[in-house]
Amino acid sequence: GENVEQHPSTLSVQEGDSAVIKCTYSDSASNYFPWYKQELGKRPQLIIDIRSNVGEKKDQRIAVTLNKTAKHFSLHITETQPEDSAVYFCAARNTGTASKLTFGTGTRLQVTL
Amino acid sequence: DGGITQSPKYLFRKEGQNVTLSCEQNLNHDAMYWYRQDPGQGLRLIYYSQIVNDFQKGDIAEGYSVSREKKESFPLTVTSAQKNPTAFYLCASSLLSRDQPQHFGDGTRLSIL
Repeated sequence: GENVEQHPSTLSVQEGDSAVIKCTYSDSASNYFPWYKQELGKRPQLIIDIRSNVGEKKDQRIAVTLNKTAKHFSLHITETQPEDSAVYFCAARNTGTASKLTFGTGTRLQVTL
Repeated sequence: DGGITQSPKYLFRKEGQNVTLSCEQNLNHDAMYWYRQDPGQGLRLIYYSQIVNDFQKGDIAEGYSVSREKKESFPLTVTSAQKNPTAFYLCASSLLSRDQPQHFGDGTRLSIL
């Protein structure tokens, strides 16, 4: 089955700096890669996603890049703000499982003043 | 995602007791999922269902059971066979199309008395 690895597990940046979270996946058939943000004690919320026919997608301060050859994808947050502090999860879905997602283990991002 | 309702928010289980977590959605989604979240381990899939009266085991189904009698409802029972049930349980739903995101409920925190 699919295996998704996520790094780093914790990340601390100063307000205004950029943050990068990286994920690798094992199944070359995977074709959909969402990113979720989870604040303490709350539900995960989708912040951006990318499909395998696209190499990069941007939404304001958030961008995701996908390298299908290397089987890795990354989340980039620019001009970080304290409200960006949360746990971020990457996930992958492969074509053989219709709707099932495999999640990474999460990255705790702390934005300090 | 106000369309997915989990109840109760907090639940306590006694030794040898079965407990049932409720998940209801009014998003007209075909697929529903149950995840378990433990600190530092991300989201692990317990069961999922893509159609009424059918469901599949996820990665950690032992000690859990589900039913899908209605499209809107996907209750999870934590049985006495689950020896370490203390965790945060998240329900999600999605359309069946392969590039549609999953939407999460607010979760139920289960603890042992």
